[in-house]
Amino acid sequence: GEDVEQSLFLSVREGDSSVINCTYTDSSSTYLYWYKQEPGAGLQLLTYIFSNMDMKQDQRLTVLLNKKDKHLSLRIADTQTGDSAIYFCAVQRSNDYKLSFGAGTTVTVRA
Amino acid sequence: DTGVSQDPRHKITKRGQNVTFRCDPISEHNRLYWYRQTLGQGPEFLTYFQNEAQLEKSRLLSDRFSAERPKGSFSTLEIQRTEQGDSAMYLCASSPLGVVNNEQFFGPGTRLTVL
Repeated sequence: GEDVEQSLFLSVREGDSSVINCTYTDSSSTYLYWYKQEPGAGLQLLTYIFSNMDMKQDQRLTVLLNKKDKHLSLRIADTQTGDSAIYFCAVQRSNDYKLSFGAGTTVTVRA
Repeated sequence: DTGVSQDPRHKITKRGQNVTFRCDPISEHNRLYWYRQTLGQGPEFLTYFQNEAQLEKSRLLSDRFSAERPKGSFSTLEIQRTEQGDSAMYLCASSPLGVVNNEQFFGPGTRLTVL
């Protein structure tokens, strides 16, 4: 199956930018997603990018995709305490419906 | 609340017992998915339905697991003869047909603890 790797932890000061990185192995991955999971809550889709795009910006979120290196990143500008959560990278092939997730990056925002 | 709902939210059972979980997807979402998430890991795909048809099953879904979606609306996931290794969060998601990005909407999950 698809291998998706993420760093496990990130600590960031409130107001700084956070960058969460993800690498994947399947070059046929067409849709790439970032989900957020808060304690006791389900997964919430934050943003997504198609493989024919290099960048997508949505308010404080910027997604960068390097298809050649199979590297995806999520940048959160002006990180707030409410951004503390686990962030999952997920990928999907165009002829498939299931998502392949990374293990998640736990982001801790300190004052 | 019109999101995906799951019942129960928590289940504690003894090894060897059978358990059944229910998922109610967002109304009119044709696609329904089950995932399993163990501690410190991301969700892993278990199975997928389009309407009432089960179109794909993961190798993770052993013979002790069975999922149904009889009328193309809610779905059930049954685990027979539970083992301690079945302890996990079971997540259900749904998505509509005809959406380019195939956003999957997740429910809050059912946390299973097998003693």
